[in-house]
Amino acid sequence: KNEVEQSPQNLTAQEGEFITINCSYSVGISALHWLQQHPGGGIVSLFMLSSGKKKHGRLIATINIQEKHSSLHITASHPRDSAVYICAVRIQGAQKLVFGQGTRLTINP
Amino acid sequence: GAVVSQHPSWVICKSGTSVKIECRSLDFQATTMFWYRQFPKQSLMLMATSNEGSKATYEQGVEKDKFLINHASLTLSTLTVTSAHPEDSSFYICSARPGHTKSYEQYFGPGTRLTVT
Repeated sequence: KNEVEQSPQNLTAQEGEFITINCSYSVGISALHWLQQHPGGGIVSLFMLSSGKKKHGRLIATINIQEKHSSLHITASHPRDSAVYICAVRIQGAQKLVFGQGTRLTINP
Repeated sequence: GAVVSQHPSWVICKSGTSVKIECRSLDFQATTMFWYRQFPKQSLMLMATSNEGSKATYEQGVEKDKFLINHASLTLSTLTVTSAHPEDSSFYICSARPGHTKSYEQYFGPGTRLTVT
């Protein structure tokens, strides 16, 4: 079993829908990252969380440390949000990130 | 926000040749840089961690003599793929961590697509 599990693996929705992507992990962490990778390949760091909730524009990320779970929400989704969203955790005491397999999001107009 | 650049963005080389990929932190000092490779439709796989001024730490299964990493300054790390083979064709991504203490931030470069013919 992977240390970081994302769900769903693939998600297709209509423009305007509220999107939720989930990430569960099984290890103690010092931080959790949400990343966005567009078809061209470049990765953008969306959020880094160690507790609570963060909001940036239409994106909201939450984390529950006790439940070892994080969610990424997109409100009023748009076709330009189509990308792969990756959850990555920094294990306590380590430098490197452990990545989930990613969620491929497609927003249709 | 912090910016990490990679050069080149794509490269095609012949089998047996070597290719160097640069990773630069443009507006911060990076004491630690990470190199990843990514195959199509797969997640990132960490190849090595490099700390400025010291030897890189390679992940299990990654040949250090084939993938040479140099982190000679706080803003530049290089990955050299030596004697490249078609199976080395992949998307290579670097990330950099700022040098100030207790920072868990990590910023990613745009990636370099390597094709070995």
